[in-house]
Amino acid sequence: NAGVTQTPKFRVLKTGQSMTLLCAQDMNHEYMYWYRQDPGMGLRLIHYSVGEGTTAKGEVPDGYNVSRLKKQNFLLGLESAAPSQTSVYFCASSYSPLRGVYNEQFFGPGTRLTVL
Amino acid sequence: AQSVTQLGSHVSVSEGALVLLRCNYSSSVPPYLFWYVQYPNQGLQLLLKYTTGATLVKGINGFEAEFKKSETSFHLTKPSAHMSDAAEYFCAGEGGSEKLVFGKGTKLTVNP
Repeated sequence: NAGVTQTPKFRVLKTGQSMTLLCAQDMNHEYMYWYRQDPGMGLRLIHYSVGEGTTAKGEVPDGYNVSRLKKQNFLLGLESAAPSQTSVYFCASSYSPLRGVYNEQFFGPGTRLTVL
Repeated sequence: AQSVTQLGSHVSVSEGALVLLRCNYSSSVPPYLFWYVQYPNQGLQLLLKYTTGATLVKGINGFEAEFKKSETSFHLTKPSAHMSDAAEYFCAGEGGSEKLVFGKGTKLTVNP
């Protein structure tokens, strides 16, 4: 099993350009998440999905859009990149909570994005 | 939903010394708590988790954590640090609505 994979690993954009980050998981997880990691800020949730065709906003959703057309894929889009979106982006997935018990999230290796 | 606070953004220990990384949570109900480790240029890996039951939780690589309700704490310990333990460690707890909330992380340095 590949687990959680992310494409691309690195990307440099100019302000105003757009791009899509792809996350794929082969563990049949229902839930998927997009985080950004900035120095001293920990991980902040951008958007998440609890199932195919559903998405929800997290803590820092502005400037991002997501789609979950297939259960195994979760796409993160930047329509008009800004320097403030320079960050490392992580995708994660998990099984749905069972009887209220939270399951651990499995993380991808990250995408390092620089916006000039 | 709860919040998670990690005390100390940087911790430095000598090889062979005790590792203690602190995490406090705020929750009015029994929480679910996790510790993750992030090695340089990698994603996060689960070290251990607390759901219910035994308050002393053993994880991978010799780490363990103790859930103390009276202190609202879930500190991570390892009796003897190894150079390979150098990494950033994140405490996380349930954030409501199927989400986790993460602490800001503690970077562990192990000196030879």
